[in-house]
Amino acid sequence: GAVVSQHPSWVICKSGTSVKIECRSLDFQATTMFWYRQFPKQSLMLMATSNEGSKATYEQGVEKDKFLINHASLTLSTLTVTSAHPEDSSFYICSVSYRDRGYGYTFGSGTRLTVV
Amino acid sequence: SQQGEEDPQALSIQEGENATMNCSYKTSINNLQWYRQNSGRGLVHLILIRSNEREKHSGRLRVTLDTSKKSSSLLITASRAADTASYFCATDFQYSGGGADGLTFGKGTHLIIQP
Repeated sequence: GAVVSQHPSWVICKSGTSVKIECRSLDFQATTMFWYRQFPKQSLMLMATSNEGSKATYEQGVEKDKFLINHASLTLSTLTVTSAHPEDSSFYICSVSYRDRGYGYTFGSGTRLTVV
Repeated sequence: SQQGEEDPQALSIQEGENATMNCSYKTSINNLQWYRQNSGRGLVHLILIRSNEREKHSGRLRVTLDTSKKSSSLLITASRAADTASYFCATDFQYSGGGADGLTFGKGTHLIIQP
């Protein structure tokens, strides 16, 4: 499958600040990437679909002005949590869908965000 | 998205025993996948079964799919302590060949293998 790198693996920030999380597809040109959020002891929930060169598609209930997604190249998508609040503390995971090597999804290693 | 259900939510067994986890989903699917997640880590893809398949094997893993009941099971045989993790099923509702949709995950089963 594809190789996906996510950075940082963890971050602590103060309430009100913004945090940027990067997701890189290292060996595959990804026109589409996905961002998920996982609260403690819960499952992953799809937040948004990141499309290269166009606007992201957000799932219902996800604030697009709060979770800014930029997919400016075929190998990089970024998720910026703006004006972070403690309730935004969560595990954020990106994913790449690949087709040219069969079919499947590869996930980044995740980013643990703690807002204090 | 319609999140599926998994049962049991938690399962604790002795090393060497078999572990079975079940997953149900709500809509028609193209395929169903199982993932493993160690505590606080990313996801590891285990196996994918397509909607026209009924059973698939990979090493100590056996997955079944019953589309009439909208359910799937994951069997891990001869469990090992290293199998301790959370296991999630995930479904892909659309695969037109022209674009991908995100996955919908079940709630997960936390598996503990007692040494």
